[in-house]
Amino acid sequence: NAGVTQTPKFRILKIGQSMTLQCTQDMNHNYMYWYRQDPGMGLKLIYYSVGAGITDKGEVPNGYNVSRSTTEDFPLRLELAAPSQTSVYFCASSSEGKEKLFFGSGTQLSVL
Amino acid sequence: GESVGLHLPTLSVQEGDNSIINCAYSNSASDYFIWYKQESGKGPQFIIDIRSNMDKRQGQRVTVLLNKTVKHLSLQIAATQPGDSAVYFCADAGPLSGSARQLTFGSGTQLTVLP
Repeated sequence: NAGVTQTPKFRILKIGQSMTLQCTQDMNHNYMYWYRQDPGMGLKLIYYSVGAGITDKGEVPNGYNVSRSTTEDFPLRLELAAPSQTSVYFCASSSEGKEKLFFGSGTQLSVL
Repeated sequence: GESVGLHLPTLSVQEGDNSIINCAYSNSASDYFIWYKQESGKGPQFIIDIRSNMDKRQGQRVTVLLNKTVKHLSLQIAATQPGDSAVYFCADAGPLSGSARQLTFGSGTQLTVLP
């Protein structure tokens, strides 16, 4: 049972480039989330999804897009990378009726 | 806006001693809190949670205390071990939709266990 898997683990982007951070979970969880963690800080919610086909904005959605075509996958898209998006990105999931979130191991992104 | 904060950014304890990590929150309507442990290069790992209708909850070697009067939580780790070295976050788990929760994290306390 792999849990929540994120790829890639590390990435360096140039300003203006785009990329997709991948997240997949094998626990059949309804809810999935994307958080970012800046150095020395707690996590902030970017986007979340309560099921396939349903997504909603979190606290810091600007500059990001998401999609949820399947229960398992919840990719995060950066269209025009900016230095302010340098951060560690965590994907998480939780199941219906249970509030405990399971986190992936993160993607460290640098935009230079 | 609402916030969650930890009292000390770092804490060093001797192996075998008890550790106490403190956290304050500002939203008096908060009803659910979670403590997470984050080791270097890894995602946050659930430790223990507590609802606002409780003032204490115990797990394996961990206890969380909630004081709603002063909006304060603490995480107590008994007989601290080297494997407990990590950053500890308290999170205010606010409602999103259904049972989905938005976690508002504090800035974390780095716990270092000394041999």
